[in-house]
Amino acid sequence: EIVLTQSPPTLSLSPGEGATLSCRASQSVDRLLAWYQQKPGQAPRLLIYDASDRATDVPARFSGSGSGTDFSLTISSLEPEDFAVYYCQQRRSWPITFGQGTRLDIK
Amino acid sequence: QLQLQESGPRLVKPSETLSLTCTVSGGSISSSSYYWGWIRQPPGKGLEWIGNVYYTGITNYNPLLKSRVTISLETSKNQFSLNLRSVTAADTAVYYCVRRGYSGLGEDRWFVPWGQGTLVTVSS
Repeated sequence: EIVLTQSPPTLSLSPGEGATLSCRASQSVDRLLAWYQQKPGQAPRLLIYDASDRATDVPARFSGSGSGTDFSLTISSLEPEDFAVYYCQQRRSWPITFGQGTRLDIK
Repeated sequence: QLQLQESGPRLVKPSETLSLTCTVSGGSISSSSYYWGWIRQPPGKGLEWIGNVYYTGITNYNPLLKSRVTISLETSKNQFSLNLRSVTAADTAVYYCVRRGYSGLGEDRWFVPWGQGTLVTVSS
């Protein structure tokens, strides 16, 4: 099983600041990694797929990078609606696995 | 637009079977292009992939749950279902049904869309 480790567990920032979230895989997932955003009481929403492609209707302030074992999700300038929990997920091999999440809090 | 909706009992007793159904609207589960699956999230915790079924009936399961899980299609009703046997309190979670593309490129190969989720509590 591929283990995804996200860091930091919690990130406290202010609106307007930039954020960088990390996801490290225990073995290479090539570029088969996605990022999801989850707000309280809602299902997760796909943000980034194939490491760096934005999903439909995702604002341009969200970007993804990385390949192999190290990946990042960057939010260029935080909007109030961006404060949520973010998960990475790989589909390189079965079983599909998720990271444990990074909570982005308002400072 | 494809929509998924979970349904089933919200309370299950320990040692019994958790059974949920996902009703698909706006698309056919008989399509050769997609997997249909389940993901769960214990209260306050992260996401866990449970498994999926392809239109042929072939399944893939999380090894941690494989001995207790069955996911199956009900094509006449455009539904698919989850059965989780011998449940304990650790199986208390929000259960989501999801679709994922089987082949090709793009965001369809990822979990899009998701159902709204249903909280199932295991308690006597």
